[in-house]
Amino acid sequence: KAGVTQTPRYLIKTRGQQVTLSCSPISGHRSVSWYQQTPGQGLQFLFEYFSETQRNKGNFPGRFSGRQFSNSRSEMNVSTLELGDSALYLCASRQTGGFSPLHFGNGTRLTVT
Amino acid sequence: EDQVTQSPEALRLQEGESSSLNCSYTVSGLRGLFWYRQDPGKGPEFLFTLYSAGEEKEKERLKATLTKKESFLHITAPKPEDSATYLCAVQDSSGGSYIPTFGRGTSLIVHP
Repeated sequence: KAGVTQTPRYLIKTRGQQVTLSCSPISGHRSVSWYQQTPGQGLQFLFEYFSETQRNKGNFPGRFSGRQFSNSRSEMNVSTLELGDSALYLCASRQTGGFSPLHFGNGTRLTVT
Repeated sequence: EDQVTQSPEALRLQEGESSSLNCSYTVSGLRGLFWYRQDPGKGPEFLFTLYSAGEEKEKERLKATLTKKESFLHITAPKPEDSATYLCAVQDSSGGSYIPTFGRGTSLIVHP
């Protein structure tokens, strides 16, 4: 069974630009979550989608947004990029909507210059 | 608010030198505790889920245990390939949110 796939693996953007990251979950998984990982803050939750609906949202500004499609694939968008947005962005899927472990992709490394 | 504290932050071992990593947590009601392994430049890889105090899970040289306040990841006779960051996360059974809270991780280096 294929794992969680994230594209692209690396991105370099300039301050003020916007970026879209893509995630394909494990087949059959309907829940997709996004996390930001930095050395200083660790893993921070961005949002979770289940059956195309945003079910939970973390404490990030409105510049961070996401969506989920009917095939469970998900995208997240960051507008008006800031230097502090440089991080590893991780997507995770899980089998049910509730208490099951997250399965992560290898992330997209975003560098903002 | 759920809290997860992992210690030590970093651990250096010699090959074959067994040790334990600690994950202390505070939750209203524990639904599950997860252990992950993360290699540099990659996403966390799921290792174990523990649901109740007294439960133990094993995989190769790793054994995870759970009490009402903490979990331990015991590494027996580690090898250099066990070098990684180990993360734990807890899932609260109250409030209706299914979002796990992660600790900052323990960075393990095993020297040959």
